[in-house]
Amino acid sequence: QVHLEESGGGVVQPGRSLRLSCPASGFIFSNYALHWVRQAPGKGLEWVAVISHDGSEKYYADSVKGRFTISRDNSKNTLSLQMNSLRAEDTAVYYCARDSVFLGMMGPGDDWGQGTLVTVSS
Amino acid sequence: QSALTQPASVSGSPGQSITISCIGTNSDVGGYNSVSWFQQHPGKAPKLLIYDVNKRPSGVSGRFTGSKSGNTASLTISGLQAEDEADYYCNSYTTLTTWVFGGGTKVTVL
Repeated sequence: QVHLEESGGGVVQPGRSLRLSCPASGFIFSNYALHWVRQAPGKGLEWVAVISHDGSEKYYADSVKGRFTISRDNSKNTLSLQMNSLRAEDTAVYYCARDSVFLGMMGPGDDWGQGTLVTVSS
Repeated sequence: QSALTQPASVSGSPGQSITISCIGTNSDVGGYNSVSWFQQHPGKAPKLLIYDVNKRPSGVSGRFTGSKSGNTASLTISGLQAEDEADYYCNSYTTLTTWVFGGGTKVTVL
């Protein structure tokens, strides 16, 4: 059974940094791309970033490009999101999600974590 | 990377059919057959209903069907049930190797 569980959320001041983690189990981690998707309180879903199965390709939404870095450690089955220069508008629940296809990048699939809340506030 | 356009709300009576539209551009919905639909109940993670425009993952009810014409994708829910009351989001691949979601549609079962 696929399991993804985000951690690392919390309250942080504007301009500071935070690192989210998403350890995974129940599938061959190194065979799937992984995404971060966020949802501001009471708002819709926003795609944030993707990393390919081997970490060689990374893509970001314009809203986080240059501030956020997605990474993965295939030896530890863990996805990460380093968030720097945080802004109030980054306040959201952050979800990690497995891509829908084996060895490809087709978009978030049916396996998501439960999310971790990041609040950027002074 | 503008969000895809969805109606804010759609409602219907039990047993009826409703359709949610998702309007994009040639750079996303119209350019690729990589449109997905997600259902989200309050406080829960999204659930994949449709991928590749019209494919259903195993376990998803046949009452959910997806389609696309030009820059507009659609999700139809037939035989509306109380449990279908939720938020629905479309998602599309874009030319920039990124993905974009719609703004979301709240479905109310009257």
